[in-house]
Amino acid sequence: KAGVTQTPRYLIKTRGQQVTLSCSPISGHRSVSWYQQTPGQGLQFLFEYFSETQRNKGNFPGRFSGRQFSNSRSEMNVSTLELGDSALYLCASSLAGTGYQETQYFGPGTRLLVL
Amino acid sequence: AQKVTQAQTEISVVEKEDVTLDCVYETRDTTYYLFWYKQPPSGELVFLIRRNSFDEQNEISGRYSWNFQKSTSSFNFTITASQVVDSAVYFCALRGTQGGSEKLVFGKGTKLTVNP
Repeated sequence: KAGVTQTPRYLIKTRGQQVTLSCSPISGHRSVSWYQQTPGQGLQFLFEYFSETQRNKGNFPGRFSGRQFSNSRSEMNVSTLELGDSALYLCASSLAGTGYQETQYFGPGTRLLVL
Repeated sequence: AQKVTQAQTEISVVEKEDVTLDCVYETRDTTYYLFWYKQPPSGELVFLIRRNSFDEQNEISGRYSWNFQKSTSSFNFTITASQVVDSAVYFCALRGTQGGSEKLVFGKGTKLTVNP
């Protein structure tokens, strides 16, 4: 079974631009979560989607948004990019998103560099 | 609030040494789950283990073992006879059960370097 895939793997943008990252969960998984990883802040939760609905959101500004499609694929968008948005963005999927015991499986991440 | 502390920022050992990575957590939940992930240089987080708060049995998987002590809120990870391939950043994470959140709270990670 294929793992979580994320595209693109690397991205370079300039300040003020916007960017869209894509995540395809493991087949059959319906919950998708996004995390931002930076050297200073570590791994921080962005948001989680289940059945096309955002269920939870972390403490990030409104410039960060996302959505989930009917096939469980998810996208996250960052508008008006800032230098501090440079990070590794990780997507994780889990089966049904209803069990706290469920394991989240992570994709390889998208490394975003904002110049 | 939930919090995970990995006090060891970096550890360096020589191959075949045993090494223990510490993890201390804080939560008010009575039911919660603890995880360990490995992040090699490629960046992908690789799941290693999941443990629920009611199961304090230690677990061993090959060269890996985990010691969960609820009394000290610790969930430590030991690698026996370390190998160069074990070099990675290791993250401990916590998920509580309040509010229906899927959110994982991560520690800052411990970078392990195993030298030949």
